[in-house]
Amino acid sequence: DIQMTQSPSSLSASVGDRVTITCQASQDISNYLNWYQLKPGKAPKLLIYDASNLEAGVPSRFSGSGSGTDFTFTISSLQPEDIATYYCQHYDNLPYAFGQGTKLEIK
Amino acid sequence: QVQLKESGPGLVKPSQTLSLTCTVSGGSMSSVAFFWTWIRQHPGKGLEWLGYIYDSGTTYYNPSLKSRVTMSIDTSKNQLSLKLTSVTAADTAVYYCARGKIRWEVWGQGTLVTVSS
Repeated sequence: DIQMTQSPSSLSASVGDRVTITCQASQDISNYLNWYQLKPGKAPKLLIYDASNLEAGVPSRFSGSGSGTDFTFTISSLQPEDIATYYCQHYDNLPYAFGQGTKLEIK
Repeated sequence: QVQLKESGPGLVKPSQTLSLTCTVSGGSMSSVAFFWTWIRQHPGKGLEWLGYIYDSGTTYYNPSLKSRVTMSIDTSKNQLSLKLTSVTAADTAVYYCARGKIRWEVWGQGTLVTVSS
């Protein structure tokens, strides 16, 4: 099975900061990677698909990049509503799997 | 707009069977074929992909669940179901249903299931 290593596990940043989260796959997964946002009590939200494509309706401050084994998720200017936990997820082969998550807090 | 809602007992005793339903609203499941996925999140931990079911009934389950999991679909009722047998405390989690196979644009809000005597 492919393992996804996400870092950091938690992150504290100020409003307006640029925030970066990384995700590393245990083997080459091409661009078969998605990013999600989870907030307590709310339905999870798909933000980025196929490593770098912005899901419809998602603000442009969110972006993703990478291919192969190394991926990056970026919030260009952190907003208060971005407080959440973020997960990467591969779909290269079954079983699909997620990274451990990054909990983002406002400083 | 399609919405999903999970429902079922919030408390299940160890060794019993966990049974959940996901009701789809805002669209007919029988009009367009989709994959439907179940995912769970253990308290304070990450997400675990449980498996998917297609409208035809084709399934694929996470091998980590071995033979304990069964997913089914009833397009006439706009419902999915998840059954997990022989539960233990390790199955305590928020369970989500979502639409899609490789990525999930629509999710339910999740339902917490606690396994405890």
